[in-house]
Amino acid sequence: AQSVTQPDIHITVSEGASLELRCNYSYGATPYLFWYVQSPGQGLQLLLKYFSGDTLVQGIKGFEAEFKRSQSSFNLRKPSVHWSDAAEYFCAVGSGSARQLTFGSGTQLTVLP
Amino acid sequence: DARVTQTPRHKVTEMGQEVTMRCQPILGHNTVFWYRQTMMQGLELLAYFRNRAPLDDSGMPKDRFSAEMPDATLATLKIQPSEPRDSAVYFCASGSDNYEQYFGPGTRLTVT
Repeated sequence: AQSVTQPDIHITVSEGASLELRCNYSYGATPYLFWYVQSPGQGLQLLLKYFSGDTLVQGIKGFEAEFKRSQSSFNLRKPSVHWSDAAEYFCAVGSGSARQLTFGSGTQLTVLP
Repeated sequence: DARVTQTPRHKVTEMGQEVTMRCQPILGHNTVFWYRQTMMQGLELLAYFRNRAPLDDSGMPKDRFSAEMPDATLATLKIQPSEPRDSAVYFCASGSDNYEQYFGPGTRLTVT
């Protein structure tokens, strides 16, 4: 069965600093990978996705993620964090005939002024 | 800008009462998912539909929860009777064949 691990429960960075959020997955076939962001009191918003092809994918809000098959990882990065990026971030892997997603437990990002 | 809508946004009810949550998926999407989010358990998949047919509801407590999709524009999640442990945020998401899911704003349920 597929699974997703986000090893960091909480990360704190200063505004303007770079960011990397870790995600490791377990899935037997070629994975469909996603990053979602959830701001307080809101639903999850799709940041970016990887299906195939170029292993470095660009998303909204200046985020990017790199798929590394050898490491079973799909880490999210941003070169310079803004205060508005404070939120919870979820990594997910897609599988199954109904296209369901398996989510990680999330990483809460705090941005210091 | 197509969005998933959910009603109500907030619901406070007493233990034992029936609760119905509604979701309007994005027009043209053929899959609908119901999730529950709590601090303790995180995001849990409760049930999902494809082309209005229920595919899996193994994540739901069967004795009190039910999910239906009476037509392509409406999905419902009912809890009867409700219990305090059902207090959570319930999300609906819709998608199509490419695995992307689009989430609604959620229904925050409080059962006292």
